[in-house]
Amino acid sequence: DQQVKQNSPSLSVQEGRISILNCDYTNSMFDYFLWYKKYPAEGPTFLISISSIKDKNEDGRFTVFLNKSAKHLSLHIVPSQPGDSAVYFCAASDAGNMLTFGGGTRLMVKP
Amino acid sequence: KAGVTQTPRYLIKTRGQQVTLSCSPISGHRSVSWYQQTPGQGLQFLFEYFSETQRNKGNFPGRFSGRQFSNSRSEMNVSTLELGDSALYLCASSADPPGSGANVLTFGAGSRLTVL
Repeated sequence: DQQVKQNSPSLSVQEGRISILNCDYTNSMFDYFLWYKKYPAEGPTFLISISSIKDKNEDGRFTVFLNKSAKHLSLHIVPSQPGDSAVYFCAASDAGNMLTFGGGTRLMVKP
Repeated sequence: KAGVTQTPRYLIKTRGQQVTLSCSPISGHRSVSWYQQTPGQGLQFLFEYFSETQRNKGNFPGRFSGRQFSNSRSEMNVSTLELGDSALYLCASSADPPGSGANVLTFGAGSRLTVL
């Protein structure tokens, strides 16, 4: 069973607009959530995280929102830039143990 | 500070062979995790080591094994390779021991294994 799901395999956005990537989870024991970005031929790079005691965390152009009641988190990128084009993975952990990843969303930002 | 180093970056094996992949974590990081990435399954957790002990194991057959050395370097081994083992194998390290709270992993570039 997939405990972390990213239902959109791809997303296309115009440069300068907002990109919204979504992630759903089923395990209520998850208490820490992360977003990673991956370029081809490279390993995933940590982007931003949020603890379950918060509902929002912001870092520059990146903001992660957590809705615990809906078991849903989202990553907002504003404004989107062509260099943001990559595959984005959300991940969750339970008490600092191994990460469970979603299937990824490929973001394409068009100039 | 050097990142997570994985060797080899690319390798080709045939069915039935075995393979060993190596990972050097970031200096000072004692926790090492391994993940398998395939197009259909995304990133799947293989195992996690801390202080030379396996702390967590994913849902993979016994053909997949690993170990960690006293200098925190880790190796994973896959025996009796199958076509479905073709994947990108990613190693990640963390300064925090498993179960300590926030777990931000730093990944290496991966070892791409092709099984023919």
